Amino acid sequence: DTAVSQTPKYLVTQMGNDKSIKCEQNLGHDTMYWYKQDSKKFLKIMFSYNNKELIINETVPNRFSPKSPDKAHLNLHINSLELGDSAVYFCASSETRSNQPQHFGDGTRLSIL
Amino acid sequence: SQQGEEDPQALSIQEGENATMNCSYKTSINNLQWYRQNSGRGLVHLILIRSNEREKHSGRLRVTLDTSKKSSSLLITASRAADTASYFCAYSGNTPLVFGKGTRLSVIA
Repeated sequence: DTAVSQTPKYLVTQMGNDKSIKCEQNLGHDTMYWYKQDSKKFLKIMFSYNNKELIINETVPNRFSPKSPDKAHLNLHINSLELGDSAVYFCASSETRSNQPQHFGDGTRLSIL
Repeated sequence: SQQGEEDPQALSIQEGENATMNCSYKTSINNLQWYRQNSGRGLVHLILIRSNEREKHSGRLRVTLDTSKKSSSLLITASRAADTASYFCAYSGNTPLVFGKGTRLSVIA
């Protein structure tokens, strides 16, 4: 059973489009995260939700909007995609906040044409 | 930037040899964690060491932590081709986990 699953795995789209990435975890964890990994493998946190409540919102353009319908799901919607948004986006979860081990999905590779 | 630094950036060894990777960080921490990332996959948690611990073992992995030097090392003994991956340290004080830049390990059979 996949613990943290995100879809789609690949996303190729034109500049200016709007797209969504979905994430689900079946671990019963309270906290979920979105990370962005650039071409140099640098991993940066974008958002974190704890029990559907936003607890971390790093300096991310407001074109990025997370939504957590329940504590098992954290989706990421991106408006007006730009070339610089090309990256791999990872969803992760942990039992409680911040400093506990995190479980990662396999990533969504977003390519902007 | 609070980002940690791993050293070396890349490491290539023969199967059976030991691999050592180092991580330096800049803040006070509650714990430090090591993760592995295989190509095209997500990060996998390997081991967590608390700030009051100095050494921890898990199978072929040995992690040390020196809080006075703000550094940690990950030793993989008797490496295998399957250990080929990127390895990241991640640490947390009162902030979310901060990940280092990673060490790319290649184990040649």
